[in-house]
Amino acid sequence: AQTVTQSQPEMSVQEAETVTLSCTYDTSENNYYLFWYKQPPSRQMILVIRQEAYKQQNATENRFSVNFQKAAKSFSLKISDSQLGDTAMYFCAFMKRSGGGADGLTFGKGTHLIIQP
Amino acid sequence: DAGITQSPRHKVTETGTPVTLRCHQTENHRYMYWYRQDPGHGLRLIHYSYGVKDTDKGEVSDGYSVSRSKTEDFLLTLESATSSQTSVYFCAIGQGTLTGELFFGEGSRLTVL
Repeated sequence: AQTVTQSQPEMSVQEAETVTLSCTYDTSENNYYLFWYKQPPSRQMILVIRQEAYKQQNATENRFSVNFQKAAKSFSLKISDSQLGDTAMYFCAFMKRSGGGADGLTFGKGTHLIIQP
Repeated sequence: DAGITQSPRHKVTETGTPVTLRCHQTENHRYMYWYRQDPGHGLRLIHYSYGVKDTDKGEVSDGYSVSRSKTEDFLLTLESATSSQTSVYFCAIGQGTLTGELFFGEGSRLTVL
């Protein structure tokens, strides 16, 4: 079984600052996906970024980037130039590729990120 | 946005009553999931389906059953609701490891008194 750990229950930063959210995971799988999802107060789950384990290059999406360290089983999310709209719960998630991904995502407990004006 | 509709969106019920939540998709995705979200626990998988009439248990399946008689519909049933099942329930759909990504419904808030 896989486990995903987010060690920061809550973080608060000033608008325009850079913030890094931590995520570690435990798995015996070699081929998998990692994700960061955002959940604003509207409760909608929104995909922020995806990383495939076989790709060494870190994924980036505009102001969002990851630091993927496969050997260390670490997958942190960096948000640059943070904006008020980034205030949300952020979930790290794991999907193994064996089995076709039928059993879905395993989530961490989440980090509540607050962007202060 | 992925075509996923959950119903009802809000429900208040009493302990011991049966409850059914419905998830309907228009994307023809093979895989469908039910998660529950509770403070301090993130999202936890209840049951999932990998095809019509093909379902399996997730991490927190006790007290829940599911059915999928059509590709587009995935039902979650609480046969006899308990207060510990008060939660927000999310349906999700996906294409497995083709993309990995899951698309989520808007959630259903269930309160069991």
